[in-house]
Amino acid sequence: GAVVSQHPSWVICKSGTSVKIECRSLDFQATTMFWYRQFPKQSLMLMATSNEGSKATYEQGVEKDKFLINHASLTLSTLTVTSAHPEDSSFYICSARDQGRATYEQYFGPGTRLTVT
Amino acid sequence: GENVEQHPSTLSVQEGDSAVIKCTYSDSASNYFPWYKQELGKGPQLIIDIRSNVGEKKDQRIAVTLNKTAKHFSLHITETQPEDSAVYFCAASFMDYGQNFVFGPGTRLSVLP
Repeated sequence: GAVVSQHPSWVICKSGTSVKIECRSLDFQATTMFWYRQFPKQSLMLMATSNEGSKATYEQGVEKDKFLINHASLTLSTLTVTSAHPEDSSFYICSARDQGRATYEQYFGPGTRLTVT
Repeated sequence: GENVEQHPSTLSVQEGDSAVIKCTYSDSASNYFPWYKQELGKGPQLIIDIRSNVGEKKDQRIAVTLNKTAKHFSLHITETQPEDSAVYFCAASFMDYGQNFVFGPGTRLSVLP
């Protein structure tokens, strides 16, 4: 149980285009999902907190107009990187909390590697 | 805000030996401390966690200890195996359902056969 999937697992896009990444909780409902970015050999940096049915909360320094987050249902959050540039190339990871369990554990997806050429 | 430090950044041990990774946190309000293992190209996986009302927790070869006064917690892996080789991240959080984690910088563990 408590599986989080991401799609796609990797994507290559040209500079200036937009890319959408999906994060799904497969066997539980998640009112809150988190989006992280991880550069090579670095730690996970929280980008934003995605709340079902409301606007996402972005961390300081993260451009909300560039990284669009939509949490339209209790099992799906999407991250859209708009007008991508090479510096946006990174490993994007989502996580989710199971709202039905009395636990604070975050379940992580397998990540999406974005390469912008 | 919370700041989490982690040491060492790299650790090499012989198979069968023990490995210890230590983290310190700055916010005394933090009361949930998970440890994650991340293999290359994959998302992090929870291996053990501890809440502030507990001083030690053990799960087979893995244990975590917490010292609230000193604001540090440690991961202990005994009888290490090659498959334990990965990057390990500690994190700290205030126990609230909407609260995010603050991660340490990570420790790359290599278990040498």
